[in-house]
Amino acid sequence: GAGVSQSPRYKVAKRGQDVALRCDPISGHVSLFWYQQALGQGPEFLTYFQNEAQLDKSGLPSDRFFAERPEGSVSTLKIQRTQQEDSAVYLCASSPRGSGGALDTQYFGPGTRLTVL
Amino acid sequence: AQSVTQPDIHITVSEGASLELRCNYSYGATPYLFWYVQSPGQGLQLLLKYFSGDTLVQGIKGFEAEFKRSQSSFNLRKPSVHWSDAAEYFCAVGPFTGGGNKLTFGTGTQLKVEL
Repeated sequence: GAGVSQSPRYKVAKRGQDVALRCDPISGHVSLFWYQQALGQGPEFLTYFQNEAQLDKSGLPSDRFFAERPEGSVSTLKIQRTQQEDSAVYLCASSPRGSGGALDTQYFGPGTRLTVL
Repeated sequence: AQSVTQPDIHITVSEGASLELRCNYSYGATPYLFWYVQSPGQGLQLLLKYFSGDTLVQGIKGFEAEFKRSQSSFNLRKPSVHWSDAAEYFCAVGPFTGGGNKLTFGTGTQLKVEL
């Protein structure tokens, strides 16, 4: 079946622009995660949804970052007034079950590479 | 808070040679441990995971990992490396309960395979 898809795959933004990154999780997956992967680093957790509820946003680096999943499927990560330090690959992952499902496997999308000039 | 250390940033092995990638973790309870592989332009793919039970875990593509509680380690091994194994490998630890199973990743080990 189809995996996690993300769009766009590449995004170049001028500093100060707003960007929106889309994630289409695997159909029926309850949990959705966003991670940020800076160059040469491992992914770092940003936020987590269980269906449409955002249960954990502790990893969002500033109030310029906002994520939503209004119907419990597709999610959008929005970054306002982008800065150069926002340049990274943004990874989305989904898993079948909800919170407490520590046995869940997270399935990752290919990521969106954001470059802020 | 949990943390993961991958001490080797780059490793080069010859095709057909054995491989061991190191991973050490810091976590206050029984960890859930994972190894992911990332090829250029690809998402992270799960190789294997450890939750409980047998400390030697078998994964896909001929990989295995051994959980050693006394050493806080979860090293990844493969007896004979193939050129297609060249990629970046990430060790990760997940929470025991709650927290939505967010993962904490190490900084990765870049594997180069010499033909």
